[in-house]
Amino acid sequence: AQSVTQLDSQVPVFEEAPVELRCNYSSSVSVYLFWYVQYPNQGLQLLLKYLSGSTLVESINGFEAEFNKSQTSFHLRKPSVHISDTAEYFCAVSRSGSARQLTFGSGTQLTVLP
Amino acid sequence: EAGVAQSPRYKIIEKRQSVAFWCNPISGHATLYWYQQILGQGPKLLIQFQNNGVVDDSQLPKDRFSAERLKGVDSTLKIQPAKLEDSAVYLCASSLIGWRETQYFGPGTRLLVL
Repeated sequence: AQSVTQLDSQVPVFEEAPVELRCNYSSSVSVYLFWYVQYPNQGLQLLLKYLSGSTLVESINGFEAEFNKSQTSFHLRKPSVHISDTAEYFCAVSRSGSARQLTFGSGTQLTVLP
Repeated sequence: EAGVAQSPRYKIIEKRQSVAFWCNPISGHATLYWYQQILGQGPKLLIQFQNNGVVDDSQLPKDRFSAERLKGVDSTLKIQPAKLEDSAVYLCASSLIGWRETQYFGPGTRLLVL
């Protein structure tokens, strides 16, 4: 079985500052890793995912995450945040070979302040 | 392309009453999921369908929860009788068949049991 830990439930940050949202996982098998974002009153949307290949993955809106197998982490980073990035961010994991059996973390609320 | 549709968006019932939620997946998506998201937690998978067959319902409380996808398209999740601890957002997601395929989520149904 897999599990995901998002240590920070709330992250306030000023606009144009950098941010890192932390995600650690545990699993006895190889995994795939995901970040989903939930904007207010909207459904979950896939932000980025790691299935194989380069351990650094990027989203179209400037976020990136790096798969670190030795530290079992998949932290999400953005060098300069915008007000519109305010949302809840969920890290998720699935076992390799099945991107469908997702286990989610408890989420991190990112609030970008003007 | 239309997204995953869910209804109703909000529902308030008293304990011991029954309630049903409806989901219409993205056209052509053979795989459909129901998740329960309790306040402050990440989504937890309740049941997964592929076409009209159940793939995984290991976390579905079968004494009170039931789900069906009779024609392999839309799906209904029912709770009977409801308990206070069933208060949560119920999310529906769908995906194409394939282990690399992304899950697309609907806006959810927010249930409050009084």
